[in-house]
Amino acid sequence: AQSVTQLGSHVSVSEGALVLLRCNYSSSVPPYLFWYVQYPNQGLQLLLKYTSAATLVKGINGFEAEFKKSETSFHLTKPSAHMRDAAEYFCAVTGKTDKLIFGTGTRLQVFP
Amino acid sequence: DTAVSQTPKYLVTQMGNDKSIKCEQNLGHDTMYWYKQDSKKFLKIMFSYNNKELIINETVPNRFSPKSPDKAHLNLHINSLELGDSAVYFCASSQNSGGRTDTQYFGPGTRLTVL
Repeated sequence: AQSVTQLGSHVSVSEGALVLLRCNYSSSVPPYLFWYVQYPNQGLQLLLKYTSAATLVKGINGFEAEFKKSETSFHLTKPSAHMRDAAEYFCAVTGKTDKLIFGTGTRLQVFP
Repeated sequence: DTAVSQTPKYLVTQMGNDKSIKCEQNLGHDTMYWYKQDSKKFLKIMFSYNNKELIINETVPNRFSPKSPDKAHLNLHINSLELGDSAVYFCASSQNSGGRTDTQYFGPGTRLTVL
């Protein structure tokens, strides 16, 4: 069965600091991996996805993630945080089935 | 020009009532989904439909019944509401057959509160 684990339910950074949100996956087949963002009181929006092409994936709003098979990881990064990045971030995986399996989410707080 | 819309945005009701949530997408997508997000923000798929045909039916109480009158609409009807049904329900759609790489586009959610 597929699963994702997001380490750290809350991450706090200062504006301008590096953002690192961690995601590890488990899958019995080559996975496809996604990062979604949820702003307060809104639906989810796709940030980026890995579909077995390039291992370094660039997304919207300056975010990127690197697929590392040896570490079963797909961590999300952004070099410089903005106040508008404050949101809930979800890592998700599809594996053997078409179902999108979400992690438990990481709340990012950005302080001025 | 909303891509995936849901009505109502908020729904407050008493235990035992029956309620419906409507979802519409104007993206021309073939597949639609319902997700439940609990109070801890955990998201879990409930159902998916492809061209009006039920594809995914997770272990959900049979008080929950999805209905897809056409491929642009997927409604969720809930009978005999219980306190534990309180959650945010999200509708989503994807272009193709709900394949493993498809991007899902989410609606704004419906916050259901059962008193």
